Amino acid sequence: AQSVSQHNHHVILSEAASLELGCNYSYGGTVNLFWYVQYPGQHLQLLLKYFSGDPLVKGIKGFEAEFIKSKFSFNLRKPSVQWSDTAEYFCAVRMNRDDKIIFGKGTRLHILP
Amino acid sequence: GAGVSQSPSNKVTEKGKDVELRCDPISGHTALYWYRQRLGQGLEFLIYFQGNSAPDKSGLPSDRFSAERTGESVSTLTIQRTQQEDSAVYLCASSHPGPLSYEQYFGPGTRLTVT
Repeated sequence: AQSVSQHNHHVILSEAASLELGCNYSYGGTVNLFWYVQYPGQHLQLLLKYFSGDPLVKGIKGFEAEFIKSKFSFNLRKPSVQWSDTAEYFCAVRMNRDDKIIFGKGTRLHILP
Repeated sequence: GAGVSQSPSNKVTEKGKDVELRCDPISGHTALYWYRQRLGQGLEFLIYFQGNSAPDKSGLPSDRFSAERTGESVSTLTIQRTQQEDSAVYLCASSHPGPLSYEQYFGPGTRLTVT
């Protein structure tokens, strides 16, 4: 069955540290890829998305993600995190055989001030 | 503009009772999704509506779960004979029509507690 894996369930970093959150999916066809973020007490919101073209996509708040097709990965990165990045991050994949969007289990990111 | 709204925001019910959860999508969004988020878990896909097409019900965990959508507007998720394992936050999302959309706009969720 198609699935989305996020390797890190809970990440703790200090401010200014670099961040990389892993995301892998299992599907051999064309995909659309997303990262969503849920800040404490807020709705889920889109950080960035990949549909086609340049595999390095940039999103809001300095986040970026790289689609590596050969590795079935879409890792999220930020060079220097801030305390305000404390949130839960979800990777999501739409497999083009249908419109269903599958989410990973999420990664809780805690930034120490 | 108005976002996705869900009601109630919180629902506490006794085991065995039926519950109905409501989602009002953003006007003009033809796609509507329901997800379940249990404590410490990711978003579990439940059901997907797209326009007038037959809904994708492949994520519904049992026949106690059902959902309807009126045209391209309101959707209700019904859970019959609730069980304690149904306790979760139920999230609704809607998205634009069109091939390059699929960005989902999420509601605040309904927190369901089955006692």
